Amino acid sequence: EAGVAQSPRYKIIEKRQSVAFWCNPISGHATLYWYQQILGQGPKLLIQFQNNGVVDDSQLPKDRFSAERLKGVDSTLKIQPAKLEDSAVYLCASSLVGFPGDTQYFGPGTRLTVL
Amino acid sequence: AQRVTQPEKLLSVFKGAPVELKCNYSYSGSPELFWYVQYSRQRLQLLLRHISRESIKGFTADLNKGETSFHLKKPFAQEEDSAMYYCALRAYNQGGKLIFGQGTELSVKP
Repeated sequence: EAGVAQSPRYKIIEKRQSVAFWCNPISGHATLYWYQQILGQGPKLLIQFQNNGVVDDSQLPKDRFSAERLKGVDSTLKIQPAKLEDSAVYLCASSLVGFPGDTQYFGPGTRLTVL
Repeated sequence: AQRVTQPEKLLSVFKGAPVELKCNYSYSGSPELFWYVQYSRQRLQLLLRHISRESIKGFTADLNKGETSFHLKKPFAQEEDSAMYYCALRAYNQGGKLIFGQGTELSVKP
């Protein structure tokens, strides 16, 4: 089966610019996650969707980050305006149902550099 | 608050030597524990989970609730085991999100 797809793979922008990342989960997976992984740290959840509804966005900096999952399939994560500290790898993951016992499958990530 | 700690950033061993990657967690309830691995230029992937009690690629991990640990072990390391290893916790009452440790880089030398 095809895995989680993400684009772009790399992005370099200047601070205060805007950027958007795209994720296509595994077909049939109801749950989609966006994680932020800063260099030297483990991934940290930004937002979790169940179909097209938000389950958890408690760690999403809502003044600059936004995410949507239209029609419960693809998802877009946006940063506007970007700060230097947003430099990180943004990982998208999906799972079948999002319950305990479920397996999360990760995409290749988008490496963002903010200059 | 839930927390996962991996005390070693880098672990370097020789081929054939035993390996133990440490993971400690803090959580008041019954967590679900995982080990994820990321090989060079590959995506993060599940290695094993505590509820499966299985051995994957020769690795095992036992959940010790008394010591709140989930250490990853392999009796004889291989060069192809070189990778980043992340321990992760999922709380039953917090949906599906994973809480990751900082990761340990395992380097197996010939």
